[in-house]
Amino acid sequence: QITLKESGPTLVKPTQTLTLTCTFSGFSLSTSEEAVGWIRQPPGEALEWLALIYWHDEKRYNPSLNNRLTITKDTSKNQVVLTVTNMDPVDTATYYCAHRRGGYFDYWGQGTLVTVSA
Amino acid sequence: DIQMTQSPSSVSASVGDRVTITCRASQGVSSWLAWYQQKPGKAPNLLIYAASSLQSGVPSRFSGSGSGTDFTLSISGLQPDDFATYYCQQAKSYPYTFGQGTKLEIK
Repeated sequence: QITLKESGPTLVKPTQTLTLTCTFSGFSLSTSEEAVGWIRQPPGEALEWLALIYWHDEKRYNPSLNNRLTITKDTSKNQVVLTVTNMDPVDTATYYCAHRRGGYFDYWGQGTLVTVSA
Repeated sequence: DIQMTQSPSSVSASVGDRVTITCRASQGVSSWLAWYQQKPGKAPNLLIYAASSLQSGVPSRFSGSGSGTDFTLSISGLQPDDFATYYCQQAKSYPYTFGQGTKLEIK
């Protein structure tokens, strides 16, 4: 059974860097074809895909965030880490990590709400 | 980027009704399309992938169709548990993009 859970700060100040960790079980990111992505959702708004990391360490980012994203993995810990630099109040959102299968996200974490405020 | 446009933005229906939601892509995505259901305070749940394939465990009253730029999600025999927000997502090219959502409300 695949499970994922996000962890990290619930409140960050403007200009700070956000670091979120996704801890997962039920699969290994060292296995061919596996991938984990991050998606966010501002309150009351739609979903926005942020980043993806593959088993072979290929990384994909949403260019709309202007190079503010970094995604990494620690296969031994079954973790994926997302950092977002230069946080702004518009980045206030629930951040989800999700298991990707064939382009689609079939298992999701519960999400973590991150508020950006001074 | 491929823009995904859903219609309607909201729809009211009664238990037992059949509802259809449309998703249009700004350029062809072949069959690289998924549908998700999201309830308040919860993560999205994958319903349909590859435009028409039913995800394991999803009731058969949900169905998807379409290819290229035009897609539909149909729900037949609406159940109380189906009232939620639905999103489409294209997986043809990066960045993956979602529609703006369709809120299905009880009439």
